[in-house]
Amino acid sequence: AQTVTQSQPEMSVQEAETVTLSCTYDTSENNYYLFWYKQPPSRQMILVIRQEAYKQQNATENRFSVNFQKAAKSFSLKISDSQLGDTAMYFCAFMKQNNAGNMLTFGGGTRLMVKP
Amino acid sequence: DSGVTQTPKHLITATGQRVTLRCSPRSGDLSVYWYQQSLDQGLQFLIQYYNGEERAKGNILERFSAQQFPDLHSELNLSSLELGDSALYFCASSGRGWGTGELFFGEGSRLTVL
Repeated sequence: AQTVTQSQPEMSVQEAETVTLSCTYDTSENNYYLFWYKQPPSRQMILVIRQEAYKQQNATENRFSVNFQKAAKSFSLKISDSQLGDTAMYFCAFMKQNNAGNMLTFGGGTRLMVKP
Repeated sequence: DSGVTQTPKHLITATGQRVTLRCSPRSGDLSVYWYQQSLDQGLQFLIQYYNGEERAKGNILERFSAQQFPDLHSELNLSSLELGDSALYFCASSGRGWGTGELFFGEGSRLTVL
């Protein structure tokens, strides 16, 4: 079974600064996806960024980028120019590719507070 | 708006009771997933259905059951409720095949057991 670990329960950052959230995972699979989801106080789950394991290039979405280290099974999220609206819980998630569907395994989450 | 609809949004009930949570997936999506999120914790996978058939099962209690109907909507039934069942229950859907791998989440149903 896959496991996803987020070792930082809480983090804070000043507005406009950069912050990195850590995530490690354990799997014997070779083909899989990794995701970062954001959960603001509204509790809605919002996809921030995805990474395909077969791609060496790190994914980037505007101010959000990842550092994907496949051999180390590490998948960190970097948020640049942090904004107050980035305050939320952030969940790292793993999805293996198989015929049984796209089940996501989530980490325990990191609560990020952006301070003005 | 993800296109996934969950009802009810909020539900308060007593211990020992039974409730049904409903989910309508995005148009055309065949897979439906149920997740449970207890207070300030991660999401725990409960069960997945694909085109009406159970496809994967997580740590779902025997008191819980689910099904997916021919019109592809799904219901999660929770019975003999306990205080610890209080949580946010998410439904998610995804399309045919591997695709982009993305799950689309509803807004969740918040269950409070008193």
